[in-house]
Amino acid sequence: RKEVEQDPGPFNVPEGATVAFNCTYSNSASQSFFWYRQDCRKEPKLLMSVYSSGNEDGRFTAQLNRASQYISLLIRDSKLSDSATYLCVVNAYSGGYQKVTFGIGTKLQVIP
Amino acid sequence: ETGVTQTPRHLVMGMTNKKSLKCEQHLGHNAMYWYKQSAKKPLELMFVYNFKEQTENNSVPSRFSPECPNSSHLFLHLHTLQPEDSALYLCASSQRGKASGGGSTDTQYFGPGTRLTVL
Repeated sequence: RKEVEQDPGPFNVPEGATVAFNCTYSNSASQSFFWYRQDCRKEPKLLMSVYSSGNEDGRFTAQLNRASQYISLLIRDSKLSDSATYLCVVNAYSGGYQKVTFGIGTKLQVIP
Repeated sequence: ETGVTQTPRHLVMGMTNKKSLKCEQHLGHNAMYWYKQSAKKPLELMFVYNFKEQTENNSVPSRFSPECPNSSHLFLHLHTLQPEDSALYLCASSQRGKASGGGSTDTQYFGPGTRLTVL
């Protein structure tokens, strides 16, 4: 089983649609979670951190389910500018060492 | 405007060349990272430096040699690379620590990357 799994997509959705991505992780000791956005041929940029209580930032909602070991990202009212690859990132710490694991990313294409 | 810069942005080198990638962070962070991103593969963490000390080396071949002279600068020295080493090399930095409420402040900020081609 991969440490962090994402459906690579692509997800093709019309403007205005709601789309949801899931990401599962295998390390139960993982402690922090993030969603990053990566545009084509650009570096990843932080979209939002994911907290146990769930968090919302405008049209974006992230949730964490520790029992089932997955995180989700919900995008409402999709815009053309949301087209990108969304990377799930999981951090685990052990003995002072940090293990950062990225998912392969889910590609979203919002179509007019 | 990114707080992490990388040079060069593009690099083409032969298998016998020696070159170095440079990363500089202007964010006052205490940790820096090298990643490799190949097509259709997830980002692979190569090296981690905390307070200038290397804390992780994820089984990276010795033809990649990192150097961290201070907490703001990170280098990746390359020698006798192979064509399969062609990839986007990304540098990132973060502030290791704990946010209030127990969450981590370890958000990573990436540089624009160096696109490396090995002939």
